[in-house]
Amino acid sequence: DAMVIQNPRYQVTQFGKPVTLSCSQTLNHNVMYWYQQKSSQAPKLLFHYYDKDFNNEADTPDNFQSRRPNTSFCFLDIRSPGLGDAAMYLCATSRDFGGRETQYFGPGTRLLVL
Amino acid sequence: KQEVTQIPAALSVPEGENLVLNCSFTDSAIYNLQWFRQDPGKGLTSLLLIQSSQREQTSGRLNASLDKSSGRSTLYIAASQPGDSATYLCAVRPSGSARQLTFGSGTQLTVLP
Repeated sequence: DAMVIQNPRYQVTQFGKPVTLSCSQTLNHNVMYWYQQKSSQAPKLLFHYYDKDFNNEADTPDNFQSRRPNTSFCFLDIRSPGLGDAAMYLCATSRDFGGRETQYFGPGTRLLVL
Repeated sequence: KQEVTQIPAALSVPEGENLVLNCSFTDSAIYNLQWFRQDPGKGLTSLLLIQSSQREQTSGRLNASLDKSSGRSTLYIAASQPGDSATYLCAVRPSGSARQLTFGSGTQLTVLP
């Protein structure tokens, strides 16, 4: 089945140790998104790619970076994780239909920072 | 800046009851509104998407309505089941070139057997 896959599902890292989360999709969607969701809060968009064009949200910390080497894969790099970065990280995809598209979400990666 | 509010934050109902979840947004300039379901520790599953020109969408026991002028949407769940227990989030996409969704914090629904 076509889907959005995130690896790993759970990630434990140490304070300040870089970590990379991955997302892949078989939907051939041209837009990919990374969201951060803290406990009992709304998902917050960090950035998204429209094809190869990177779009950063204004309030996304510089500590967060992203790469999209091809249509299928997108990575979230956290350069120096702090305790406040512990959260669920959600990847989503969509095919841009001028506002009519649905976003499809992966299962998420839960990050724990020790 | 768009703000999306969902009240109540949590709701418990007995099995079989019909229920309504509420979502309000401050800026009516939207392309669409989506309702999602999120199970504990899981990602989001899209339930219904309503375009700004539409008034409602239906899927099985779910019916979502949209009143753009008043900045409100409702998700109606008929004949609730324990399997409906989850957090339900609404999200709006602004009109124009921006693609980001603004989410509400969700309503945590528990359907008691």
